[in-house]
Amino acid sequence: GAGVSQSPSNKVTEKGKDVELRCDPISGHTALYWYRQSLGQGLEFLIYFQGNSAPDKSGLPSDRFSAERTGGSVSTLTIQRTQQEDSAVYLCASSLPGKQFFGPGTRLTVL
Amino acid sequence: GNSVTQMEGPVTLSEEAFLTINCTYTATGYPSLFWYVQYPGEGLQLLLKATKADDKGSNKGFEATYRKETTSFHLEKGSVQVSDSAVYFCALSERTGNQFYFGTGTSLTVIP
Repeated sequence: GAGVSQSPSNKVTEKGKDVELRCDPISGHTALYWYRQSLGQGLEFLIYFQGNSAPDKSGLPSDRFSAERTGGSVSTLTIQRTQQEDSAVYLCASSLPGKQFFGPGTRLTVL
Repeated sequence: GNSVTQMEGPVTLSEEAFLTINCTYTATGYPSLFWYVQYPGEGLQLLLKATKADDKGSNKGFEATYRKETTSFHLEKGSVQVSDSAVYFCALSERTGNQFYFGTGTSLTVIP
């Protein structure tokens, strides 16, 4: 594809439900990142995948958050038992060395 | 460790005013530096970059110079337009890895 795509673009869920957010990176990009952008906050790093290496999960805020990347391509970010403070825009980016390309984000609202 | 600190906003300027958004960084190595921009309702996109000391990145009238001695990468534009209204993020990337570190973003509003 032409760029990084994410789905859904908007997700409204009830507190306590699980959600899955999808990211399709640019073909051939070996690195993939997930960030969270909360209202009035900057970009918060969540997790980083690089090729077949073990992911860097150091930014995940709690064990309710997990992510996987299948076949070195598509990635899914899962949030279990969502809380209202999880409401944010979740951004995915894929990269070539030294340059990131961002997806449009998924806006998650937890009621 | 690595980190980026940028000027807090929001910043409001009149059209044709001079813009400076300050950014300083801390890095364990010798990073590349970036400015990203997020226009209202859109995703982040790269605005400009610099990969070594004294390099100047430029795009769309914006400039930033990589200053190793002051560990800074301030964003400047001589004459802002209403269409420059956006959130600007400073970021760094270590040469040896793919990890990116972002500042908190600075919101700019340009009024006619």
